[in-house]
Amino acid sequence: DVKVTQSSRYLVKRTGEKVFLECVQDMDHENMFWYRQDPGLGLRLIYFSYDVKMKEKGDIPEGYSVSREKKERFSLILESASTNQTSMYLCASSSGQEPLYGYTFGSGTRLTVV
Amino acid sequence: GESVGLHLPTLSVQEGDNSIINCAYSNSASDYFIWYKQESGKGPQFIIDIRSNMDKRQGQRVTVLLNKTVKHLSLQIAATQPGDSAVYFCAESEGGYGGSQGNLIFGKGTKLSVKP
Repeated sequence: DVKVTQSSRYLVKRTGEKVFLECVQDMDHENMFWYRQDPGLGLRLIYFSYDVKMKEKGDIPEGYSVSREKKERFSLILESASTNQTSMYLCASSSGQEPLYGYTFGSGTRLTVV
Repeated sequence: GESVGLHLPTLSVQEGDNSIINCAYSNSASDYFIWYKQESGKGPQFIIDIRSNMDKRQGQRVTVLLNKTVKHLSLQIAATQPGDSAVYFCAESEGGYGGSQGNLIFGKGTKLSVKP
């Protein structure tokens, strides 16, 4: 069964900490994405990557960075966590090739910054 | 800017009834649409997709209808079951791909509640 795996389901971090959220996919997908999901705001794109060592800013990149050293792994980094980064974080991947199946999502990481 | 929206934020239906979830999109260049289901505490799961060269596509108990004239997408769930309770998102893409040629743009979701 193809899968996108996020390393943590729940995280609690302190303000100012550096936080790493890890995402691994086993589908050999080129494209990977990080979203945050907040009530009433839906899914908002933070960063995405179309290839190894490549990254593009999404709609809300401020306060975040990403790393993609290997095709299967896409990491989201909160350089200095703040309380307004408390959210559900979702990783997704897609092949961008035929046939089209859109994105496959991970189960999410619920991050609380205190 | 372009956006994907929903007519109703919540929908409550009786078990066994049919459900219809609606979505409006504004980008006339979008040519690929997807419906996702997100259960509580889980990531969104793919349900069904449709290309703009179709106006209807059927899956198991689900049907997606696309009306390009009015830029409207709907998801129909037949014989709704308690396990269908979830938030449903529509998503659109320009360029025909869920990847580099056009990122998916998501609606905010409709919460479906099924009453026993």
